[in-house]
Amino acid sequence: KAGVTQTPRYLIKTRGQQVTLSCSPISGHRSVSWYQQTPGQGLQFLFEYFSETQRNKGNFPGRFSGRQFSNSRSEMNVSTLELGDSALYLCASSSIGENTEAFFGQGTRLTVV
Amino acid sequence: GNSVTQMEGPVTLSEEAFLTINCTYTATGYPSLFWYVQYPGEGLQLLLKATKADDKGSNKGFEATYRKETTSFHLEKGSVQVSDSAVYFCALRTQGGSEKLVFGKGTKLTVNP
Repeated sequence: KAGVTQTPRYLIKTRGQQVTLSCSPISGHRSVSWYQQTPGQGLQFLFEYFSETQRNKGNFPGRFSGRQFSNSRSEMNVSTLELGDSALYLCASSSIGENTEAFFGQGTRLTVV
Repeated sequence: GNSVTQMEGPVTLSEEAFLTINCTYTATGYPSLFWYVQYPGEGLQLLLKATKADDKGSNKGFEATYRKETTSFHLEKGSVQVSDSAVYFCALRTQGGSEKLVFGKGTKLTVNP
């Protein structure tokens, strides 16, 4: 079956703009999580959605937001972009249970200039 | 809080050498433990996992054993190949239903022919 799909793969934005990233999880997976990956901070958890509800949130400013739709697809939005938001944004989907595993998409590379 | 500490890289080995990447964790309860691998330009792929103490995860010649007494999950491979060159991440997921992963900083492995 198809893997996790993230669009777009690459994005260049200007400071102050906003951006929306999309993630389509594996069919049947209802949990979607987002991570930010930077050389300095590594992989940091942004938020997790399950059945259209945010279940968990990382330590990021309110400029970072997300949502999940009834078909489990998820979007994350970053408003008022800063240079420091340049990163690889990874989405992961999983089913629910003790022995599940997260499957990651290839990521969206965001560059803020 | 929950955290993962893994040996910093980079690690450079010759083909057929033995590999160990150390990983220790701090967590409440009994987390599940994972090793993920990231190839250049790609997202994360699950390499192996263990969900309880003394479990051994294995895949593609890689192994790691969940050691509760030393809170460790070291990654080993007896004979590395050039194709194993990648960045390796140790991660944990705590109990409680959330799919949130806490990652180590990553270890870059380069295998030379």
